Amino acid sequence: AQSVTQLDSHVSVSEGTPVLLRCNYSSSYSPSLFWYVQHPNKGLQLLLKYTSAATLVKGINGFEAEFKKSETSFHLTKPSAHMSDAAEYFCVVREPFLGYGQNFVFGPGTRLSVLP
Amino acid sequence: EPEVTQTPSHQVTQMGQEVILRCVPISNHLYFYWYRQILGQKVEFLVSFYNNEISEKSEIFDDQFSVERPDGSNFTLKIRSTKLEDSAMYFCASSDEGGSNQPQHFGDGTRLSIL
Repeated sequence: AQSVTQLDSHVSVSEGTPVLLRCNYSSSYSPSLFWYVQHPNKGLQLLLKYTSAATLVKGINGFEAEFKKSETSFHLTKPSAHMSDAAEYFCVVREPFLGYGQNFVFGPGTRLSVLP
Repeated sequence: EPEVTQTPSHQVTQMGQEVILRCVPISNHLYFYWYRQILGQKVEFLVSFYNNEISEKSEIFDDQFSVERPDGSNFTLKIRSTKLEDSAMYFCASSDEGGSNQPQHFGDGTRLSIL
């Protein structure tokens, strides 16, 4: 069975500085991995996904993530934080099951604060 | 860009009452999902639905819960005999394919408050 760990429940950065949100996963299969962002009182928006193509994945709003199989990690980065990046970020793993249902397993989330 | 829409945004219900949460998935999507997020906790999978039947459900999704696609556009979650611990944010999602590499598109959620 798969699981996801997000090591930091809260990350605080200054505007214009780099962002690193950490994600580690465990999976019995070759998983697909996703990052979602949740702004206050909003739904979950897909930032990017990894699906066994390129290990460095570029997403929206300048975010990218690198899949490292040897480290079972999928950390999310951004070179320069913007105030609008303040939100909750979820790392998600999904592996195929035998049935139709292929549900997502969410990490606990990391709250990103961006200071002026 | 097409969106998943959920109504109502906030539902307040007395304990013991039945509640129906409504979702309109993206129109050409075939796979539908419900998740819940209790305040301060993880987003948890409830159920997936394909071809007019449940394809997978979690331990949370017991006999108190049911899902239905009553017409070609709506996807509903019914909770019978609501309990205080059912208070949570409920998210609907849809995807156009069921493969593990397909992202799910989420609605903004319905906040359910049980009094």
